[in-house]
Amino acid sequence: ENVLTQSPGTLSLSPGERATLSCRASQTVSSSYLAWYQQRPGQAPRLLIYGASSRATGIPDRFSGSGSGTDFTLTISRLEPEDFAVYFCHQYETTHTFGQGTRLEIK
Amino acid sequence: EVQLSESGGDLVQPGVSLRLSCAASGFTFNTYAMSWVRQAPGRGLEWVSAISSSGDATYYADSVKGRFIISRDNSRNTVYLQMNSLRAEDTAKYYCAKEASPPYFDHWGQGTLVTLSS
Repeated sequence: ENVLTQSPGTLSLSPGERATLSCRASQTVSSSYLAWYQQRPGQAPRLLIYGASSRATGIPDRFSGSGSGTDFTLTISRLEPEDFAVYFCHQYETTHTFGQGTRLEIK
Repeated sequence: EVQLSESGGDLVQPGVSLRLSCAASGFTFNTYAMSWVRQAPGRGLEWVSAISSSGDATYYADSVKGRFIISRDNSRNTVYLQMNSLRAEDTAKYYCAKEASPPYFDHWGQGTLVTLSS
Protein backbone atom coordinates (compact mmCIF):
# COMPACT_ATOMS: atom_id res chain seq x y z
CA GLU A 1 0.00 0.00 0.00
CA ASN A 2 1.24 3.43 -0.92
CA VAL A 3 0.96 5.46 2.28
CA LEU A 4 0.46 9.22 1.86
CA THR A 5 1.65 11.49 4.66
CA GLN A 6 0.43 15.08 4.70
CA SER A 7 2.08 17.94 6.51
CA PRO A 8 1.49 19.98 8.46
CA GLY A 9 -1.47 18.48 10.28
CA THR A 10 -2.86 21.94 10.92
CA LEU A 11 -1.90 25.20 9.22
CA SER A 12 -2.93 28.51 10.76
CA LEU A 13 -2.90 31.46 8.36
CA SER A 14 -4.73 34.69 7.68
CA PRO A 15 -6.84 35.61 4.64
CA GLY A 16 -4.62 36.94 1.87
CA GLU A 17 -1.65 34.81 2.88
CA ARG A 18 -0.11 31.99 0.86
CA ALA A 19 -0.69 28.37 1.92
CA THR A 20 1.65 25.50 1.08
CA LEU A 21 0.46 21.96 1.84
CA SER A 22 2.65 18.90 1.42
CA CYS A 23 1.90 15.28 0.54
CA ARG A 24 4.64 12.67 0.63
CA ALA A 25 4.15 9.14 -0.72
CA SER A 26 5.90 6.04 0.60
CA GLN A 27 6.30 4.77 -2.98
CA THR A 28 6.71 6.61 -6.24
CA VAL A 29 3.46 7.79 -7.81
CA SER A 30 4.27 7.42 -11.49
CA SER A 31 2.33 9.23 -14.18
CA SER A 32 1.56 11.79 -11.48
CA TYR A 33 -1.64 9.98 -10.52
CA LEU A 34 -2.22 12.29 -7.58
CA ALA A 35 -5.26 14.40 -6.74
CA TRP A 36 -6.19 16.97 -4.12
CA TYR A 37 -9.63 17.49 -2.56
CA GLN A 38 -11.11 20.18 -0.34
CA GLN A 39 -13.64 19.30 2.34
CA ARG A 40 -15.55 22.03 4.13
CA PRO A 41 -17.36 21.21 7.41
CA GLY A 42 -20.42 19.07 6.83
CA GLN A 43 -19.79 18.79 3.10
CA ALA A 44 -18.54 16.14 0.72
CA PRO A 45 -15.02 16.34 -0.65
CA ARG A 46 -14.58 18.44 -3.79
CA LEU A 47 -11.97 17.74 -6.45
CA LEU A 48 -9.44 20.55 -6.81
CA ILE A 49 -6.45 19.08 -8.65
CA TYR A 50 -5.83 15.88 -10.62
CA GLY A 51 -2.74 14.60 -12.42
CA ALA A 52 -0.72 16.44 -9.76
CA SER A 53 -1.14 19.83 -11.44
CA SER A 54 -4.35 20.06 -13.48
CA ARG A 55 -7.13 22.15 -12.00
CA ALA A 56 -10.60 20.64 -12.01
CA THR A 57 -13.46 22.44 -13.72
CA GLY A 58 -14.48 25.62 -11.94
CA ILE A 59 -11.55 25.70 -9.53
CA PRO A 60 -10.05 29.21 -9.12
CA ASP A 61 -6.52 29.74 -10.39
CA ARG A 62 -5.28 30.61 -6.90
CA PHE A 63 -5.15 26.83 -6.39
CA SER A 64 -2.16 25.09 -7.95
CA GLY A 65 -0.58 21.68 -7.66
CA SER A 66 2.98 20.59 -8.30
CA GLY A 67 5.38 17.76 -7.70
CA SER A 68 6.24 14.31 -8.95
CA GLY A 69 7.59 11.01 -7.74
CA THR A 70 7.00 10.97 -3.99
CA ASP A 71 6.66 14.67 -3.16
CA PHE A 72 3.65 16.77 -4.06
CA THR A 73 2.46 20.23 -3.07
CA LEU A 74 -0.84 22.10 -3.10
CA THR A 75 -0.43 25.88 -3.06
CA ILE A 76 -3.17 28.43 -2.46
CA SER A 77 -1.71 31.75 -3.52
CA ARG A 78 -3.97 34.18 -1.64
CA LEU A 79 -6.33 32.71 0.90
CA GLU A 80 -10.00 33.59 0.71
CA PRO A 81 -12.33 33.05 3.72
CA GLU A 82 -13.97 30.08 1.99
CA ASP A 83 -10.61 28.29 1.60
CA PHE A 84 -10.37 27.44 5.29
CA ALA A 85 -11.17 23.74 5.23
CA VAL A 86 -9.52 20.31 5.30
CA TYR A 87 -7.45 19.19 2.32
CA PHE A 88 -6.72 15.60 1.33
CA CYS A 89 -4.30 14.17 -1.20
CA HIS A 90 -5.13 10.93 -3.02
CA GLN A 91 -3.08 8.59 -5.16
CA TYR A 92 -4.93 6.55 -7.73
CA GLU A 93 -2.12 4.70 -9.46
CA THR A 94 -2.46 1.61 -7.29
CA THR A 95 -5.18 0.74 -4.78
CA HIS A 96 -6.62 4.11 -3.82
CA THR A 97 -5.11 5.70 -0.74
CA PHE A 98 -5.61 9.09 0.87
CA GLY A 99 -3.49 11.25 3.09
CA GLN A 100 -4.76 11.91 6.61
CA GLY A 101 -5.57 15.53 5.75
CA THR A 102 -4.31 19.02 6.53
CA ARG A 103 -6.64 21.35 8.39
CA LEU A 104 -6.30 24.94 7.20
CA GLU A 105 -7.60 27.25 9.92
CA ILE A 106 -7.92 30.99 10.31
CA LYS A 107 -5.18 32.53 12.42
CA GLU B 1 -25.18 18.70 -13.83
CA VAL B 2 -23.82 15.54 -12.23
CA GLN B 3 -25.77 14.48 -9.17
CA LEU B 4 -25.14 11.55 -6.87
CA SER B 5 -27.61 10.79 -4.09
CA GLU B 6 -26.88 8.13 -1.50
CA SER B 7 -29.46 6.45 0.72
CA GLY B 8 -29.82 3.47 3.01
CA GLY B 9 -27.70 4.50 5.96
CA ASP B 10 -29.04 3.63 9.40
CA LEU B 11 -28.28 2.92 13.05
CA VAL B 12 -27.82 -0.85 13.31
CA GLN B 13 -26.33 -3.47 15.59
CA PRO B 14 -23.08 -5.28 14.86
CA GLY B 15 -23.49 -8.40 12.77
CA VAL B 16 -26.44 -7.22 10.72
CA SER B 17 -26.58 -6.39 7.00
CA LEU B 18 -27.38 -3.13 5.26
CA ARG B 19 -27.64 -2.09 1.62
CA LEU B 20 -26.66 1.36 0.46
CA SER B 21 -27.84 2.86 -2.83
CA CYS B 22 -26.50 5.69 -4.94
CA ALA B 23 -28.73 7.17 -7.62
CA ALA B 24 -26.87 9.00 -10.37
CA SER B 25 -27.97 11.57 -12.92
CA GLY B 26 -26.50 14.16 -15.25
CA PHE B 27 -24.03 11.92 -17.05
CA THR B 28 -23.94 8.72 -19.11
CA PHE B 29 -23.90 6.36 -16.15
CA ASN B 30 -23.03 3.16 -18.01
CA THR B 31 -19.73 4.58 -19.27
CA TYR B 32 -18.16 5.36 -15.90
CA ALA B 33 -16.75 3.28 -13.08
CA MET B 34 -18.06 4.12 -9.62
CA SER B 35 -16.63 3.85 -6.13
CA TRP B 36 -17.66 3.97 -2.50
CA VAL B 37 -15.46 5.94 -0.11
CA ARG B 38 -16.10 6.18 3.62
CA GLN B 39 -15.16 8.58 6.38
CA ALA B 40 -15.34 7.64 10.04
CA PRO B 41 -16.44 10.49 12.35
CA GLY B 42 -13.68 13.08 12.60
CA ARG B 43 -11.35 10.95 10.50
CA GLY B 44 -9.90 10.83 7.00
CA LEU B 45 -11.09 9.18 3.81
CA GLU B 46 -10.91 5.45 3.10
CA TRP B 47 -11.66 3.92 -0.29
CA VAL B 48 -14.00 0.94 0.14
CA SER B 49 -14.94 -0.53 -3.22
CA ALA B 50 -15.13 0.14 -6.96
CA ILE B 51 -17.04 -1.29 -9.89
CA SER B 52 -16.35 -1.01 -13.60
CA SER B 53 -18.74 0.69 -15.98
CA SER B 54 -20.25 -2.61 -17.13
CA GLY B 55 -20.24 -4.16 -13.67
CA ASP B 56 -17.97 -7.01 -14.80
CA ALA B 57 -15.07 -6.04 -12.55
CA THR B 58 -15.23 -5.25 -8.85
CA TYR B 59 -12.55 -4.23 -6.36
CA TYR B 60 -12.46 -4.08 -2.57
CA ALA B 61 -10.33 -2.73 0.24
CA ASP B 62 -8.88 -5.47 2.40
CA SER B 63 -10.90 -4.16 5.36
CA VAL B 64 -14.21 -5.10 3.69
CA LYS B 65 -13.25 -7.94 1.35
CA GLY B 66 -15.52 -10.93 1.87
CA ARG B 67 -18.15 -8.87 3.72
CA PHE B 68 -19.20 -6.14 1.27
CA ILE B 69 -20.49 -6.56 -2.28
CA ILE B 70 -20.68 -3.75 -4.82
CA SER B 71 -23.07 -3.94 -7.75
CA ARG B 72 -24.80 -1.67 -10.22
CA ASP B 73 -27.95 -1.51 -12.29
CA ASN B 74 -27.24 0.52 -15.40
CA SER B 75 -30.93 0.51 -16.35
CA ARG B 76 -31.66 2.36 -13.09
CA ASN B 77 -28.46 4.49 -13.00
CA THR B 78 -27.81 3.16 -9.54
CA VAL B 79 -24.87 1.62 -7.71
CA TYR B 80 -25.26 -0.44 -4.55
CA LEU B 81 -23.14 -1.51 -1.62
CA GLN B 82 -24.34 -4.61 0.22
CA MET B 83 -22.72 -4.61 3.62
CA ASN B 84 -22.79 -7.86 5.58
CA SER B 85 -21.44 -8.84 9.00
CA LEU B 86 -21.14 -5.20 9.98
CA ARG B 87 -18.62 -4.28 12.64
CA ALA B 88 -18.23 -1.28 14.93
CA GLU B 89 -15.32 -0.07 12.80
CA ASP B 90 -17.63 0.21 9.78
CA THR B 91 -19.27 3.24 11.41
CA ALA B 92 -18.79 6.06 8.90
CA LYS B 93 -20.38 8.31 6.36
CA TYR B 94 -20.37 6.47 3.05
CA TYR B 95 -19.87 8.52 -0.10
CA CYS B 96 -20.61 7.46 -3.63
CA ALA B 97 -18.08 8.85 -6.09
CA LYS B 98 -17.89 8.96 -9.87
CA GLU B 99 -14.56 7.91 -11.27
CA ALA B 100 -12.83 9.76 -14.07
CA SER B 101 -10.26 8.05 -16.28
CA PRO B 102 -7.63 7.66 -14.86
CA PRO B 103 -9.66 7.02 -11.70
CA TYR B 104 -9.60 10.10 -9.55
CA PHE B 105 -12.99 11.05 -8.09
CA ASP B 106 -14.45 13.98 -9.97
CA HIS B 107 -17.89 14.04 -8.36
CA TRP B 108 -19.11 13.01 -4.92
CA GLY B 109 -22.50 12.54 -3.33
CA GLN B 110 -23.39 14.05 0.03
CA GLY B 111 -23.04 10.73 1.80
CA THR B 112 -25.18 8.46 3.96
CA LEU B 113 -24.40 7.70 7.59
CA VAL B 114 -23.97 4.17 8.87
CA THR B 115 -23.73 3.85 12.64
CA LEU B 116 -23.02 0.64 14.47
CA SER B 117 -24.15 0.47 18.06
CA SER B 118 -25.07 -2.36 20.36
